[in-house]
Amino acid sequence: QLQLQESGPGLVKPSETLSLTCTVSGGSISSSSYYWGWIRQPPGKGLEWIGSIYYSGSTYYNPSLKSRVTISVDTSKNQFSLKLSSVTAADTAVYYCARLNGYRYYMDVWGKGTTVTVSS
Amino acid sequence: EIVLTQSPGTLSLSPGERATLSCRASQSVSSSYLAWYQQKPGQAPRLLIYGASSRATGIPDRFSGSGSGTDFTLTISRLEPEDFAVYYCQQYGSSPRFITFGPGTKVDIK
Repeated sequence: QLQLQESGPGLVKPSETLSLTCTVSGGSISSSSYYWGWIRQPPGKGLEWIGSIYYSGSTYYNPSLKSRVTISVDTSKNQFSLKLSSVTAADTAVYYCARLNGYRYYMDVWGKGTTVTVSS
Repeated sequence: EIVLTQSPGTLSLSPGERATLSCRASQSVSSSYLAWYQQKPGQAPRLLIYGASSRATGIPDRFSGSGSGTDFTLTISRLEPEDFAVYYCQQYGSSPRFITFGPGTKVDIK
């Protein structure tokens, strides 16, 4: 079945760029029925949607993060990626990647999440 | 931007009891774009309900969703021990394109 796996550094210094990759296995990222997204959860807090991407490269972002976020897709590797620039301690969180149903925009498959800590 | 509010913040119940969780939107939400998730400690969220009332694959029928407009409800008819968790509602808005989550309701054991 479809699986998503986040990867990337667990520690990022303040003011630097956080970079994560989500690898999709058991299915194609190029399916026309789905978007792919990033969601984060600060310690002890709720879920925050970061942004989503279609296999064609079309994106939409959370306005509160838009100036710092770039999401890209590499269909040849069946991966999509997140870059978040100028990070601060407030960006410390568990970062999840997920598949979004392209018609109803719910997240039906999630990665297990990866913890990113912003600290010097 | 649509803001979702969930109530109560915490619901303390016993196994076998009925749980009723509320999700209220700051403006009308299409039922097609309202979903509910369950999250247990240390785990990723799990989709329970989409389209306000459709159960996701493998979700027991004790979970049901209802509502329209600005008021939506998740009901767990009889709580099982594995149902004690945090529940989030989520909506998608098309103009502008935006996804928001509610702050969550924690269902804990009384």
